Amino acid sequence: SQQGEEDPQALSIQEGENATMNCSYKTSINNLQWYRQNSGRGLVHLILIRSNEREKHSGRLRVTLDTSKKSSSLLITASRAADTASYFCATDHSGAGSYQLTFGKGTKLSVIP
Amino acid sequence: NAGVMQNPRHLVRRRGQEARLRCSPMKGHSHVYWYRQLPEEGLKFMVYLQKENIIDESGMPKERFSAEFPKEGPSILRIQQVVRGDSAAYFCASSPTVPGLYSPQETQYFGPGTRLLVL
Repeated sequence: SQQGEEDPQALSIQEGENATMNCSYKTSINNLQWYRQNSGRGLVHLILIRSNEREKHSGRLRVTLDTSKKSSSLLITASRAADTASYFCATDHSGAGSYQLTFGKGTKLSVIP
Repeated sequence: NAGVMQNPRHLVRRRGQEARLRCSPMKGHSHVYWYRQLPEEGLKFMVYLQKENIIDESGMPKERFSAEFPKEGPSILRIQQVVRGDSAAYFCASSPTVPGLYSPQETQYFGPGTRLLVL
């Protein structure tokens, strides 16, 4: 399996509930980023967490990183219908000065009004 | 401040034709990345370019695919003799220049993508 695997693959919740998505990876990273993609659209950068950070907040988003378990979680609090999208984690291994990002398959979040 | 621009947004080609995808990075960004996304999949890295240089093309198929980022003008991803398996969404991302340093900043800003359909 590949780096940056998200879990669950799909998540359906009611508006106002919290949504938690997880991401696991295999090799050491410099940072981990979360992106959102609305259906048929490009990616929107949500948040970046560096390997020496454990938690980061941005508005209704909370990201945690556990490098010992090689995992991260994205929590969206008080979800809204507009949060319906696919969410991807991307890991940066920065080998050879490249900064190529490795993406998982994503979690499809559906927020029901 | 315009974001990353890609055109065309949709491209239809018949097998054997050439596809040219264009990407204009954000203003002030001199690092460009191309990714490919197959249906229901995550993005896969293809190539990383700086102005007039290919830095990392480890994700690019060895044949039929090429990329450039000239001194003037947009970055181009070119696919020759397209096959049905090339049908995908192709995304370009850019990141800022860090003056005096080789390494770019971490955050990559993505364009809306070009959806290529090969008939």
